[in-house]
Amino acid sequence: GQQVMQIPQYQHVQEGEDFTTYCNSSTTLSNIQWYKQRPGGHPVFLIQLVKSGEVKKQKRLTFQFGEAKKNSSLHITATQTTDVGTYFCAGPAGAGGTSYGKLTFGQGTILTVHP
Amino acid sequence: DAGVIQSPRHEVTEMGQEVTLRCKPISGHNSLFWYRQTMMRGLELLIYFNNNVPIDDSGMPEDRFSAKMPNASFSTLKIQPSEPRDSAVYFCASKWNWDRSYEQYFGPGTRLTVT
Repeated sequence: GQQVMQIPQYQHVQEGEDFTTYCNSSTTLSNIQWYKQRPGGHPVFLIQLVKSGEVKKQKRLTFQFGEAKKNSSLHITATQTTDVGTYFCAGPAGAGGTSYGKLTFGQGTILTVHP
Repeated sequence: DAGVIQSPRHEVTEMGQEVTLRCKPISGHNSLFWYRQTMMRGLELLIYFNNNVPIDDSGMPEDRFSAKMPNASFSTLKIQPSEPRDSAVYFCASKWNWDRSYEQYFGPGTRLTVT
């Protein structure tokens, strides 16, 4: 079945440093989503990318969708303590994804920021 | 909008007891997803419904797990009998299935501890 892999699993940075997490799918995706989960919280939708090579920015966050639509990245510039949490990518899972919005989530990257 | 509502937020029970988790999706959403999250296995999809009908329950780990959606505003996930390995955070998520966004709205989760 479809697999979505994320690296790294953990990332520790000093406040002000940049951070990047990478997502790779075993199959071509129609779109990819990114979610953030704060410690003790629930996943919250950040963004959806649809087009090949698409780049979107949200303040210090930059999201990219690969040309082949099989990989994606999230880059945070000048991290802040408020960026702490787990970042997940997710892609539509097979026919269920197309028809009902079923998603396959990556394992997530846990980001810690030292002040 | 109140968002997705889950109850209880925390549940501690003894092995062998029945556990029922409850979810109220966002009004108007017609797809509902139950997930389980653990450190070891990450975020796993257990079952999902569309228009109150179960579409795919292949993620339900065992016959001890069952889920129902008697109407558009309520769903339950039941574990009977519960076992210590069922300890996890259980999330419910909903979405509107007729737009192009795959965004899922997660509830705050139920933290289940089985002793």
